Amino acid sequence: GEDVEQSLFLSVREGDSSVINCTYTDSSSTYLYWYKQEPGAGLQLLTYIFSNMDMKQDQRLTVLLNKKDKHLSLRIADTQTGDSAIYFCAESLYGQNFVFGPGTRLSVLP
Amino acid sequence: GAVVSQHPSRVICKSGTSVKIECRSLDFQATTMFWYRQFPKQSLMLMATSNEGSKATYEQGVEKDKFLINHASLTLSTLTVTSAHPEDSSFYICSARDPAGVRNTEAFFGQGTRLTVV
Repeated sequence: GEDVEQSLFLSVREGDSSVINCTYTDSSSTYLYWYKQEPGAGLQLLTYIFSNMDMKQDQRLTVLLNKKDKHLSLRIADTQTGDSAIYFCAESLYGQNFVFGPGTRLSVLP
Repeated sequence: GAVVSQHPSRVICKSGTSVKIECRSLDFQATTMFWYRQFPKQSLMLMATSNEGSKATYEQGVEKDKFLINHASLTLSTLTVTSAHPEDSSFYICSARDPAGVRNTEAFFGQGTRLTVV
C-alpha cells in the first residue's frame, strides 16, 4: 500500500532555515501537502503542491517536489519559536484517500 | 472560509459509557468527512470515511459497532464511542472535504477531541 515517511525530529536555531523531508511511494499521487499540528490542536494546512509542479513558494515556506525520486521537502525560512510543532507530509489522489506521514517534530531553539 | 469545528475539545468519561463527538463544517457543505485517531507521538490513523446519507466505510481493524458514525446532513458528522474503555483514550480528529468547491483538493481539519476514559 501507500506509504509516507519522514524523519521524526528536527532541531534548529531561531533565525535559521528548517528543511523537513518526506518520501512517498505512490507514484499516482496528485497532490502533496504539508500540515502543521500544534500541541493539543488539529491539523492546519500550510501548503500543498500539485504533482506536476517542482516548486511552490508562499512567504517563508518553500516546497520542493522531486517526482522522480518521490521526495518532498518543506523549507521554512527564518524559523521562529512559533514554528515549533509537528509537521505532517501527506499525499492524496485528487483530494481523496489521504495518506499521512508519521510527522516531524520541529524544535526551535532560542 | 473552509472552517471545520469539532466538539467537544476535551471529554472525560467513565468506562462503559458512550461519548459523542461532533464535527461540523461551518461554511461549506462536506459530502465526505473523515475520522482519524491519533496516538501519542504518532501519525493520524484513518478510522472511517463518512458520506452524507449513506453508511460509513470503516478501515480494516476498526470496529463499526464500537465507533458509530452518522453523517445525517451535509454539515454534520458524529462519532460515537460506545461502551468506552481506557484503551479508547486517544485524540480523535475529523476532517471534511468540499468536493464541489474550488478548494476541492484540500482536507480541512477540526481542532480534535481529547478523549480520556477513566
